[in-house]
Amino acid sequence: GAGVSQSPSNKVTEKGKDVELRCDPISGHTALYWYRQRLGQGLEFLIYFQGNSAPDKSGLPSDRFSAERTGESVSTLTIQRTQQEDSAVYLCASSSEGKDGYTFGSGTRLTVV
Amino acid sequence: AQSVTQPDIHITVSEGASLELRCNYSYGATPYLFWYVQSPGQGLQLLLKYFSGDTLVQGIKGFEAEFKRSQSSFNLRKPSVHWSDAAEYFCAMKTSYDKVIFGPGTSLSVIP
Repeated sequence: GAGVSQSPSNKVTEKGKDVELRCDPISGHTALYWYRQRLGQGLEFLIYFQGNSAPDKSGLPSDRFSAERTGESVSTLTIQRTQQEDSAVYLCASSSEGKDGYTFGSGTRLTVV
Repeated sequence: AQSVTQPDIHITVSEGASLELRCNYSYGATPYLFWYVQSPGQGLQLLLKYFSGDTLVQGIKGFEAEFKRSQSSFNLRKPSVHWSDAAEYFCAMKTSYDKVIFGPGTSLSVIP
């Protein structure tokens, strides 16, 4: 597609359940990023994939969070044993190499009840 | 440490007035700089970007930004604000390691 696609757009889950969020980047974009945005807050970096390099996981808040990306395509962010503090909008973005900025998806709004 | 600061958490301006949103960065070299806008309930949209060359860059929706190396700043400006400009604005920088660092954001309210 023409843009970054994220699914689901909204997810309500019970505390303790696992959730999986999906991101389809723009075709040809080698870099893919996940950010978290809590209500009224800025963007919190989670993880960054660049081509076949080892991902930069320095922003993952705990070992309950993990992400995978197959080649330069789809990425999934998995949150295990969700907690209420995980409630946020999870944003995915992709970019080509070099100077370009990101193109963001519309995000997945996660609510843990 | 690499960081982006936006000193103003919230700004209110009257429609038709001029606007300046401040952004400062901390980095050992000249980074790539960006401004993004996030309208309520929407994703982030790139307004403009600076890589090198002319320090005044033009963006979409009538916005411009000026890079000032001596002040480590990249302030966003618009000569006449419209009610539809009410949104959250994020300044960001991209370092040589390709990770983009975002500022905390400035919330803009526009009074009719």
